[in-house]
Amino acid sequence: DAKTTQPNSMESNEEEPVHLPCNHSTISGTDYIHWYRQLPSQGPEYVIHGLTSNVNNRMASLAIAEDRKSSTLILHRATLRDAAVYYCIWPRTNFGNEKLTFGTGTRLTIIP
Amino acid sequence: NAGVTQTPKFRVLKTGQSMTLLCAQDMNHEYMYWYRQDPGMGLRLIHYSVGEGTTAKGEVPDGYNVSRLKKQNFLLGLESAAPSQTSVYFCASSYPLGQAMNTEAFFGQGTRLTVV
Repeated sequence: DAKTTQPNSMESNEEEPVHLPCNHSTISGTDYIHWYRQLPSQGPEYVIHGLTSNVNNRMASLAIAEDRKSSTLILHRATLRDAAVYYCIWPRTNFGNEKLTFGTGTRLTIIP
Repeated sequence: NAGVTQTPKFRVLKTGQSMTLLCAQDMNHEYMYWYRQDPGMGLRLIHYSVGEGTTAKGEVPDGYNVSRLKKQNFLLGLESAAPSQTSVYFCASSYPLGQAMNTEAFFGQGTRLTVV
């Protein structure tokens, strides 16, 4: 399966930027990198995804390394509501049989 | 637009009983997934489906069966419940992955199942 490596936990101060790293060294050239987060007692929610170039949306930015073996999710100004478990995922391209599998993720704690 | 709806939200079963969890989506998604999440753990894929009439095994399929008779519904069955199946179950749906557009998966709010 598509393996990613993330730190188990991170802390950040409120209103400061947060950089969440992910290693995906075996990713192929056509596999997209996805980020999801899971707030306490809720189902996961989509954050962002990208292939090669950096991506931005209203929630976050995704910086993808040039060799695509790693990526970083950037929360520009963390709020208490951003405390969650963040998952980095890359569904392996499999000709219409892709599956979305989750690792253990990074538990982000926001310090007021 | 309801998104992904799971039924029921809570259930207590006795060991050996059977039950079916229903997942319904109204977004015309081809792909649907069932996950379980044990306390303090990540989500583990049980079964998934890439289209109506198709199903495939995920990471932890033993003890579960699934059916996708209609595109909008994905059923997860427990034939003989065991205490080890006590967990929170999440359903999700998406368009085909690995494409630039519309690859966001939408999740239901979960079903909390306790087997005693």
